[in-house]
Amino acid sequence: QSVLTQPPSVSGAPGQRVTISCTGSSSNIGAGYDVHWYQHLPGTAPKLLIYGNSNRPSGVPARFSGSKSGTLASLAISGLQAEDEADYYCQSYDSSLSAPVVFGGGTKLTVL
Amino acid sequence: QVQLVESGGGLVKPGGSLRLSCAASGFTFSDYYMNWIRQAPGKGLEWLSYISDSGSTINYADSVKGRFTISRDNAKNSLYLQVNSLRAEDTAVYYCAREVVSSNYYPRPFDYWGQGTLVTVSS
Repeated sequence: QSVLTQPPSVSGAPGQRVTISCTGSSSNIGAGYDVHWYQHLPGTAPKLLIYGNSNRPSGVPARFSGSKSGTLASLAISGLQAEDEADYYCQSYDSSLSAPVVFGGGTKLTVL
Repeated sequence: QVQLVESGGGLVKPGGSLRLSCAASGFTFSDYYMNWIRQAPGKGLEWLSYISDSGSTINYADSVKGRFTISRDNAKNSLYLQVNSLRAEDTAVYYCAREVVSSNYYPRPFDYWGQGTLVTVSS
C-alpha cells in the first residue's frame, strides 16, 4: 500500500477531460516535496509526463497538465485520445520512509 | 538519442541469482545518477536502488537490502544489478532509469527509462 493514493481506474470518452488524483499527507506532498507523473503503456518504457508538479518535458502535448495543492497532486488530460489509454503513476518523496523515492499505486486510464 | 537497454533477466529457481545489465548510450553516462525500478505482475512501480554518478553513493529499498547489489562501469557505459537469494515475490520486470541531472526539484524525476527485463522466480 503506497503512501501516495491514486484511484485504480478512471475513464473518459474521446475528446473529454479526465483528472487523476494523487493524494498524499504532511510527510510527502503536503511537506512541499515535488510530484512527477509518468505514463506507462504495457511492454514499453515508462515516460516522464510531468515534472516538478506542473512542468511538461519537451514533446509532451499541452493536453497534459499537472497541479499541486496541499496534500493533493493532480494530472489532467484534456481532449482525450485513444492513444492516452495507459497506466499513470505519480512519484514523490516521503520523509517518514527510508526510501528516497515513492510511487503512487498507479491509475489505469480507459478511453471509452 | 538516449537509449537504455536492459538484459540479463530470465527464469530462475528460488534462492538463485542473476546479474541484470543496463547498457546506456546517447549521453554522458558518467554524469548521471542511475536507478533500478521494478514492476511485479499486476502491481505498480517499486523503486529498488540508486547509484551516484561516480558510484560512491548507493541506496536500497528495504525490500532488497542485503540481497541486491547495484554497481556501474562508467568506462563501459553500463549499470548492473546483482540479484541474489531470489524469492517468488521478486518476479517482475526490472527497469533502469536515468535521474535528471542538475534538477531544482526534490525528488529528482526520471527522464529516461529502459523497456525492462523480465525476471521470473519459480521452481
